[in-house]
Amino acid sequence: QKEVEQDPGPLSVPEGAIVSLNCTYSNSAFQYFMWYRQYSRKGPELLMYTYSSGNKEDGRFTAQVDKSSKYISLFIRDSQPSDSATYLCAMRRVDFGNEKLTFGTGTRLTIIP
Amino acid sequence: NAGVTQTPKFQVLKTGQSMTLQCAQDMNHNSMYWYRQDPGMGLRLIYYSASEGTTDKGEVPNGYNVSRLNKREFSLRLESAAPSQTSVYFCASSELGTASLTFGSGTRLTVV
Repeated sequence: QKEVEQDPGPLSVPEGAIVSLNCTYSNSAFQYFMWYRQYSRKGPELLMYTYSSGNKEDGRFTAQVDKSSKYISLFIRDSQPSDSATYLCAMRRVDFGNEKLTFGTGTRLTIIP
Repeated sequence: NAGVTQTPKFQVLKTGQSMTLQCAQDMNHNSMYWYRQDPGMGLRLIYYSASEGTTDKGEVPNGYNVSRLNKREFSLRLESAAPSQTSVYFCASSELGTASLTFGSGTRLTVV
């Protein structure tokens, strides 16, 4: 079983819809949770970074963490064609003094105009 | 633009050939990383350098070597390329102790 599971999609939604992207994890030692966005043929870029359970908002984006269920989500409101990209969740833990960052496999999202 | 610069952007190698992927960052970050990205596998860490003068193995180090040349530069070397090393390679950097990575735009490597 992978430490971090993410549905690869692809996911296609009409412009203006609310998008929900999700990841589950198995290791309760993960402390920090991130979402990266990756446009085609580009490197990932950090979108959201959260530590505690609950919600964090940044414009049209909301990151949600539920540590009790080991489940994180990214919501995109009023989705735009420019949101079409692959979204990767990432989780960080400290393992015997060493930091470890684990990525999900990514969900490919297409917003249809 | 400030950030992480990788060269080359594309490369085709024959099995057994060697090459070095170059990476430089101008953000004064302490930590640098090399990842490979394959379909269905996500990003996997090859090697990292927590600070200048140190390097450590990641999840998939076999067949690779690295050099942290100075604080700015971190290179990845394939001594004898194999088809299994066909992938997209990303270099990244961060401040020590944070997980906010800045990635380069990648090197697409094909080994035939």
